[in-house]
Amino acid sequence: SQQGEEDPQALSIQEGENATMNCSYKTSINNLQWYRQNSGRGLVHLILIRSNEREKHSGRLRVTLDTSKKSSSLLITASRAADTASYFCATVPMDSNYQLIWGAGTKLIIKP
Amino acid sequence: EAGVAQSPRYKIIEKRQSVAFWCNPISGHATLYWYQQILGQGPKLLIQFQNNGVVDDSQLPKDRFSAERLKGVDSTLKIQPAKLEDSAVYLCASSSRPAGGYGYTFGSGTRLTVV
Repeated sequence: SQQGEEDPQALSIQEGENATMNCSYKTSINNLQWYRQNSGRGLVHLILIRSNEREKHSGRLRVTLDTSKKSSSLLITASRAADTASYFCATVPMDSNYQLIWGAGTKLIIKP
Repeated sequence: EAGVAQSPRYKIIEKRQSVAFWCNPISGHATLYWYQQILGQGPKLLIQFQNNGVVDDSQLPKDRFSAERLKGVDSTLKIQPAKLEDSAVYLCASSSRPAGGYGYTFGSGTRLTVV
């Protein structure tokens, strides 16, 4: 079953601008993870944020988590052409076998 | 460290034929996952192994799909017979801990086209 829903489904911005993607989920979680997938490639883990955390940073990436709203956002600052990819959020629900439940992804296009 | 290795990279078969995919996880990773990703969708878990035991195969279509992980290392996923709707990318991932508290490492996947 699909837990996460990314918003928007597609996003096209100019290089240098910031890109924000959102993820909503339905059940209580242990943690939430963001992944990137370049066309025709495997998924690359970006950031994991635990349910007791509110914000995490990694380079140009900033992830926030609002457990009261069951939502997360991924911000990519100063976007580059190489950031063009699909971005997926995945949650690990509480009381699960620690499996990832995936959304359908946001397709991000950075225009040079 | 070496990543998760998958082969083949691409495979085209006719419906009703059989196909097998191979995965070699990162050394020491006890947990291994097979996912199916249909174009435009997020990955769907097919099966999760912990060492060589199955943790969850509830979404594996067992009438045609099978998977094994011998000696808790390499794994193979087989489809027999294949249907058109099996066209997808099959991703293998491994994790050092089963708790999902750490990111998973994915292979590059096998793109299967059933014609």
